[in-house]
Amino acid sequence: NAGVTQTPKFQVLKTGQSMTLQCAQDMNHEYMSWYRQDPGMGLRLIHYSVGAGITDQGEVPNGYNVSRSTTEDFPLRLLSAAPSQTSVYFCASSWDRGADTQYFGPGTRLTVL
Amino acid sequence: AQSVSQHNHHVILSEAASLELGCNYSYGGTVNLFWYVQYPGQHLQLLLKYFSGDPLVKGIKGFEAEFIKSKFSFNLRKPSVQWSDTAEYFCAAGPQFVNTGTASKLTFGTGTRLQVTL
Repeated sequence: NAGVTQTPKFQVLKTGQSMTLQCAQDMNHEYMSWYRQDPGMGLRLIHYSVGAGITDQGEVPNGYNVSRSTTEDFPLRLLSAAPSQTSVYFCASSWDRGADTQYFGPGTRLTVL
Repeated sequence: AQSVSQHNHHVILSEAASLELGCNYSYGGTVNLFWYVQYPGQHLQLLLKYFSGDPLVKGIKGFEAEFIKSKFSFNLRKPSVQWSDTAEYFCAAGPQFVNTGTASKLTFGTGTRLQVTL
C-alpha cells in the first residue's frame, strides 16, 4: 500500500491564483481530512469527509473547497490564494468515522506571494 | 469549544534523561486522546492513543502516557530518551464517536519540539 499520497510537494502561487492540492489513499478509509500546519499553531482542521459525497467544515474552512467523489480521493481547492494561506498542508485518513488513528500524507508546502 | 494545550514548546534533553511532555485538554464529554510524532522530514505518525480502560497507555519506541481524568491531562513520558527521539510531538483530542454517523474532529495542540543532545 502507498498509504496517503499528496501532490505536489511544493508549490508557489501568486495572490489571486487558484489551485488544487491532491490527496489520495489506497487503504479504503472512509474518513479523510485536511489540516494546515503553521508555526506555533499546531495542526488545524480545514475540511473533512466521512465518506464519498459527504464533506463538512473544520476549524478554518474559509478560502478552501473540497469534494469527495470517490473513497480514494479528497482534493483541496484554493479558490483565490492569499498570503495568509502560506502553510504546510497535510491530508489524513482513518478507518472509520470516529476519532481513530489517522494516517498522514507527507504534506504540501505552499507559499503564496 | 474543544482545546488542547501543550505547555512545553521547546525541550532540550541529554541522552538518557527522562522525558515528560504535558498535555491538557478542555472538553465536556468523553474524548479519545492521542500523541503523534513528526520526525524531521517524515510524516506525522501515531505514538499512542487512549480510548478507554487502563489509563496508562504504552506506545511505540518505549513511550507511554497517562490519562488523568480529574486533571484533564494526558502527559507523555519516556524513562530514557535517545538522540533519535528528536522530533516534534503533538497531543490531540477528539470527541468519542457515539454512533451518530458524524466524524469526530481532532483538535491538536501547538506541538512540543524535543531536541536530544548527545
